[in-house]
Amino acid sequence: GAGVSQSPSNKVTEKGKDVELRCDPISGHTALYWYRQSLGQGLEFLIYFQGNSAPDKSGLPSDRFSAERTGGSVSTLTIQRTQQEDSAVYLCASSLGGTLFNEQFFGPGTRLTVL
Amino acid sequence: AQSVTQLGSHVSVSEGALVLLRCNYSSSVPPYLFWYVQYPNQGLQLLLKYTTGATLVKGINGFEAEFKKSETSFHLTKPSAHMSDAAEYFCAVSALGSGNTGKLIFGQGTTLQVKP
Repeated sequence: GAGVSQSPSNKVTEKGKDVELRCDPISGHTALYWYRQSLGQGLEFLIYFQGNSAPDKSGLPSDRFSAERTGGSVSTLTIQRTQQEDSAVYLCASSLGGTLFNEQFFGPGTRLTVL
Repeated sequence: AQSVTQLGSHVSVSEGALVLLRCNYSSSVPPYLFWYVQYPNQGLQLLLKYTTGATLVKGINGFEAEFKKSETSFHLTKPSAHMSDAAEYFCAVSALGSGNTGKLIFGQGTTLQVKP
């Protein structure tokens, strides 16, 4: 079956521009996570969605970052006024349920480069 | 709060040799532990996980890991390395918090090089 897909695979933008990153989770998965992978910080949790519950935004690094999940499926991560330190690979993952032991399935990521 | 430390950012072994990737965790409550592998330009793939029960966990591709509470460790091993095992490996703990969301806290990763 289809896995988690992300688009675009690569994004190059200029400092100060806004970007949108898209994630299509596995069908039927109610939980969706965004992580960021960067050279300096490793893999960091950003935000979590579970069903209709309020998202856990505790990992968002600043108010320039936001995310939404429409219809309990597709999610968009938006970064406003991008900075060079936002350059990273943004990974999306989904799981059957947002519990401690459900396996998270990861997408291939979006590589963001801010010039 | 939970944390994960992977000892050694880069490990090199010969093909056929034992693979040992070290992971230590910090958690004030019983942890759920995971090993993920990342091949170049790909997402993370779950190798194995420990939740409860048997402390020796077997995963895919011949890997296994043993949960040792007394040592707060979850080291990953494989008896005989293959060239295809060359990748980056991440140890992770599932964070406990409000709603037990299952978000993962990752170690810094270990790059495994396999020499012919």
